[in-house]
Amino acid sequence: GNSVTQMEGPVTLSEEAFLTINCTYTATGYPSLFWYVQYPGEGLQLLLKATKADDKGSNKGFEATYRKETTSFHLEKGSVQVSDSAVYFCALKNQGGKLIFGQGTELSVKP
Amino acid sequence: GAGVSQSPSNKVTEKGKDVELRCDPISGHTALYWYRQSLGQGLEFLIYFQGNSAPDKSGLPSDRFSAERTGGSVSTLTIQRTQQEDSAVYLCASSGWDSNNSPLHFGNGTRLTVT
Repeated sequence: GNSVTQMEGPVTLSEEAFLTINCTYTATGYPSLFWYVQYPGEGLQLLLKATKADDKGSNKGFEATYRKETTSFHLEKGSVQVSDSAVYFCALKNQGGKLIFGQGTELSVKP
Repeated sequence: GAGVSQSPSNKVTEKGKDVELRCDPISGHTALYWYRQSLGQGLEFLIYFQGNSAPDKSGLPSDRFSAERTGGSVSTLTIQRTQQEDSAVYLCASSGWDSNNSPLHFGNGTRLTVT
């Protein structure tokens, strides 16, 4: 079946450090891939998405590239800020199917 | 416009009691999801409604859990004979007709505590 695996957290970084949060998936067909973010005290919201292989999703300085050959969608940011502290969820969705989330990765950025 | 609204925001109940959780999706959204978020467990899929199609109930953990969606809008998640392991935040989300590309909009959740 379909599944998403993320690197375990918490991840603690200093401000302006480089961020990578790994995400790999297992799916039949050609899923769409997403990153959602949950800031403290807020609901989940979409951060970025990619709907086909080699697409790059980007938003707020974050990027992720849909790699079919490695079944990955790693999240990256070149210089994190304290305000990026949140829980990040990788997710996939197959045609007509439900959205499946990974277990989430907590990021804590220290000034 | 208004986002996804869930009520109540907090619910404390005694073990063995039934609870109903309500979700008001964004108007016009055809897809509606329920998820459960437990500490350290990520987001667990429960049930998915899409338009008039039969719902995908494959994530419901036991027959104590059920959900319905009336008139293609409001949804109610019911948990019968609650157990302590049911304690979690229950999240509702909705999306537009092109559910493969339109993002899910989440409510703020109902925090259920079973004592």
